[in-house]
Amino acid sequence: GENVEQHPSTLSVQEGDSAVIKCTYSDSASNYFPWYKQELGKRPQLIIDIRSNVGEKKDQRIAVTLNKTAKHFSLHITETQPEDSAVYFCAASRRTDKLIFGTGTRLQVFP
Amino acid sequence: GAGVSQTPSNKVTEKGKYVELRCDPISGHTALYWYRQSLGQGPEFLIYFQGTGAADDSGLPNDRFFAVRPEGSVSTLKIQRTERGDSAVYLCASSATGAADTQYFGPGTRLTVL
Repeated sequence: GENVEQHPSTLSVQEGDSAVIKCTYSDSASNYFPWYKQELGKRPQLIIDIRSNVGEKKDQRIAVTLNKTAKHFSLHITETQPEDSAVYFCAASRRTDKLIFGTGTRLQVFP
Repeated sequence: GAGVSQTPSNKVTEKGKYVELRCDPISGHTALYWYRQSLGQGPEFLIYFQGTGAADDSGLPNDRFFAVRPEGSVSTLKIQRTERGDSAVYLCASSATGAADTQYFGPGTRLTVL
């Protein structure tokens, strides 16, 4: 069935360093790939997304890359700050379809 | 404008009881999704509505779970004969059209079955 694998499960970085989270999806028909940030006890919030007709997208310190051939996509956060600490989820979906989420990455940024 | 809202925020019930969870999507959004999130896991899809109809209910775990959206706006997730394994955070999301649009999540309802 449809599956999204996410690595690493935990990631600790020093403030100012970069963080990279990687996901692999199984459904080749997937064409939409959002990333959500979830703080403890809060709702998931979209931070960036990418569609299959684009290879890379950037928004300030956050960027996402997509390799459709390999069915990989990655989140890159540069110049990390303590407020970036949270759980990050990748997801994949087909047009009009449900989101299939990865298992999450707990990012800790130490001052 | 107002985001997605869910009530109640917390629900504690006893095994075997019936519960209803409510979702108010963003005004004008035609697509509405229900997900379930267990501790330490990503949200897991339950059901998707496009307008009033359930377009995909393949994620409902069994026939104890049912959801409705009679007027194409508010949705109610209904769980009969609750079991301890149903304990989780139930999240609702809405999107403008459902066509690979951004899904905006509500704050969730934390269900605890004793």
